[in-house]
Amino acid sequence: DTEVTQTPKHLVMGMTNKKSLKCEQHMGHRAMYWYKQKAKKPPELMFVYSYEKLSINESVPSRFSPECPNSSLLNLHLHALQPEDSALYLCASSQAASGQQETQYFGPGTRLLVL
Amino acid sequence: KQEVTQIPAALSVPEGENLVLNCSFTDSAIYNLQWFRQDPGKGLTSLLLIQSSQREQTSGRLNASLDKSSGRSTLYIAASQPGDSATYLCAVRSSSNTGKLIFGQGTTLQVKP
Repeated sequence: DTEVTQTPKHLVMGMTNKKSLKCEQHMGHRAMYWYKQKAKKPPELMFVYSYEKLSINESVPSRFSPECPNSSLLNLHLHALQPEDSALYLCASSQAASGQQETQYFGPGTRLLVL
Repeated sequence: KQEVTQIPAALSVPEGENLVLNCSFTDSAIYNLQWFRQDPGKGLTSLLLIQSSQREQTSGRLNASLDKSSGRSTLYIAASQPGDSATYLCAVRSSSNTGKLIFGQGTTLQVKP
């Protein structure tokens, strides 16, 4: 099973709302990632968790707050977002963050619209 | 700073044709290169991963090659089908420790019946 699941599929929120995106994998992977993808652009890395510890933050604004409660779950907490944050948010996982054979497996994404 | 470029940005071919998608990168010190497929509004599906020590990988009708010294990779699709229509993205991993992927802009492929 190479499935990464993400909920919700779609989310509409106002600039004063607080919401969370969830990602789950049951492949025993120890590295998990958040990417942001704007329309007709490639994905851009936001955060990397390795063994449940944050290892990379690509200078993401603090209105995005990641959390890794356990090795299977990854959350992205959203607060006071701006309309330009509207995008497809993709979660991915791999066996580990290091290793030449580490294929990253992506979830279907959450399409976020900030009004 | 690693930059990844894909040419062409869009490609339209008749069904049955063999085709090649190109990916180039500016820093040859890569760890691996991965090809993905993305259908509109969907997540990414991993197609092939080539380690830096490898020259090519094959899966079914797909063959990916890697030439690190020239900073190039190609994805060859044999006997294209309408179901192959999607955006194809190549991604380079430059560092061994972080897992960070740097993506090209993608090539949008349309295969006409």
